[in-house]
Amino acid sequence: GIQVEQSPPDLILQEGANSTLRCNFSDSVNNLQWFHQNPWGQLINLFYIPSGTKQNGRLSATTVATERYSLLYISSSQTTDSGVYFCAAQPILTGGGNKLTFGTGTQLKVEL
Amino acid sequence: DTAVSQTPKYLVTQMGNDKSIKCEQNLGHDTMYWYKQDSKKFLKIMFSYNNKELIINETVPNRFSPKSPDKAHLNLHINSLELGDSAVYFCASSQVGYSTPAYEQYFGPGTRLTVT
Repeated sequence: GIQVEQSPPDLILQEGANSTLRCNFSDSVNNLQWFHQNPWGQLINLFYIPSGTKQNGRLSATTVATERYSLLYISSSQTTDSGVYFCAAQPILTGGGNKLTFGTGTQLKVEL
Repeated sequence: DTAVSQTPKYLVTQMGNDKSIKCEQNLGHDTMYWYKQDSKKFLKIMFSYNNKELIINETVPNRFSPKSPDKAHLNLHINSLELGDSAVYFCASSQVGYSTPAYEQYFGPGTRLTVT
């Protein structure tokens, strides 16, 4: 099945810093999503981005489908950005149901 | 106005018991899913239902039995609970899933199951 790798596994930032999280996937994808799991365990949809670039406030994401990677940019980080960031991908398959395969996540801690 | 809801939020039970987790979505989606997050935070799909029909079963033990009474509900029943079943279980939903690109999945708040 598809392999989804995220880097870095851990990241510590000072408040106000910028960062880039990377997601590599092994197959062509039909769906690519970024999630933030907050310290209370809730999975929050950040971006649905099988290709192209999107922005939402301080966050933006880019997926280069032909090169099989996606990037999540966090600018002017805040302590509330702390948590785990997951990338999840669904390969292009014929006849199969939707199935997101998750990466192992990037644990982000933003300090004052 | 919760989109995907799950009950209960926490579940503590003893080995050998049978328990159920319920999921409901009010997004009008046709497809619902169960995912499991283990103690190392790894998330993996367990089941997927499209309009009450099982379409994905990821080699989950037979002790796990999903049931979908209608396309807005997907419940998970677990028999003879084991210590290794302790995890967070997430329900999700999306529109019907054979398009390109596939539709976005939306997740519920999770149910933390602890088996003692």
